[in-house]
Amino acid sequence: RKEVEQDPGPFNVPEGATVAFNCTYSNSASQSFFWYRQDCRKEPKLLMSVYSSGNEDGRFTAQLNRASQYISLLIRDSKLSDSATYLCAVNGGSNYKLTFGKGTLLTVNP
Amino acid sequence: DAGVTQSPTHLIKTRGQQVTLRCSPKSGHDTVSWYQQALGQGPQFIFQYYEEEERQRGNFPDRFSGHQFPNYSSELNVNALLLGDSALYLCASSLDSYYNEQFFGPGTRLTVL
Repeated sequence: RKEVEQDPGPFNVPEGATVAFNCTYSNSASQSFFWYRQDCRKEPKLLMSVYSSGNEDGRFTAQLNRASQYISLLIRDSKLSDSATYLCAVNGGSNYKLTFGKGTLLTVNP
Repeated sequence: DAGVTQSPTHLIKTRGQQVTLRCSPKSGHDTVSWYQQALGQGPQFIFQYYEEEERQRGNFPDRFSGHQFPNYSSELNVNALLLGDSALYLCASSLDSYYNEQFFGPGTRLTVL
């Protein structure tokens, strides 16, 4: 089993749609979890950090399910500018590295 | 507040050559991590530097080495370049803490011919 696995995508949705991405992780000792967005040929930008059961920031909601070892990202009212690749990353408690999934490409269409 | 900076932006080398990439962390950050991102993949961890020491290393050969300076900036060196080393090399800075939020620089795109 891969350390971090994401929905393969791609996702194509109309403006205004709600879209959800899922990510599973294998290391049960993992303590912190992140969602990054990456535009084409740019660096990943930290979108949300998920430390407890989840958190919300405007149209974005991240949730963590430790029992099932997955995190999710929900985007409501999608905008054209949300089009990007979304990467989940997991960091173990005593593990300094971030382990990333392959990313899920989202295209929001007018 | 300056973010993470990296240089150069792009680099073209031939097989067998050596390359040095540079990174300056975000102001106030003391930890630098390096990642390699191949096309269509997520970033892969190379190593992390803290207090001028390599603190953790990923599954990369010894051809990949690094250094951290007293001002927290860092270098990534790759010797004996292979075609497969062509990738986007990303530097991430963070403040040494339990949660380890990492912020990425714009990257150096390395092409090995």
